[in-house]
Amino acid sequence: DQQVKQNSPSLSVQEGRISILNCDYTNSMFDYFLWYKKYPAEGPTFLISISSIKDKNEDGRFTVFLNKSAKHLSLHIVPSQPGDSAVYFCAASVSYNAGNMLTFGGGTRLMVKP
Amino acid sequence: DAGVIQSPRHEVTEMGQEVTLRCKPISGHNSLFWYRQTMMRGLELLIYFNNNVPIDDSGMPEDRFSAKMPNASFSTLKIQPSEPRDSAVYFCASSPQGAQTDTQYFGPGTRLTVL
Repeated sequence: DQQVKQNSPSLSVQEGRISILNCDYTNSMFDYFLWYKKYPAEGPTFLISISSIKDKNEDGRFTVFLNKSAKHLSLHIVPSQPGDSAVYFCAASVSYNAGNMLTFGGGTRLMVKP
Repeated sequence: DAGVIQSPRHEVTEMGQEVTLRCKPISGHNSLFWYRQTMMRGLELLIYFNNNVPIDDSGMPEDRFSAKMPNASFSTLKIQPSEPRDSAVYFCASSPQGAQTDTQYFGPGTRLTVL
């Protein structure tokens, strides 16, 4: 039973436009959410995070939105650039767990066309 | 600074053989994680160590899998005997203290193919 789901396995966007990647979760105990980006033959790298006490966090071209009532988060990339082409994973954690164990979604492959 | 180091980068073995994957976390990091990535299941946490002690191994799929962390700078993930369904990319990650907001830093992964 996947607690974190990314229902779109892939997304194709034109350079300069907005990319919106979506993520849903089922565990209401999750209170910290992250996005990781992964290039081929590399490990995932941290991109941006959001605590459940917020509904938005922005870092440059990247903004993460959290809708707790819908158990949904999204990552917006504006404007999209070809170098953003990668697989994006959303992840979640629970504060009462020991440490920062993460539950990952299955990933969305973003392709930004020049 | 060196990131998380994993070896080997690629491993091809035959069913029934023992496989050992190695990880060197970032110096000073107290938490270490082993993940497995497959097409079907995405990125799954296998085991989590804090201060060299296994804290949660609920993600370890079977008794064929074992992990050790004999010291702060080295960890191994062993599969014995290996099976074709173990074919996946295995990632090791480390984080400074294991606090919820700590970033996990991933190694480049080991691509395992079991024939």
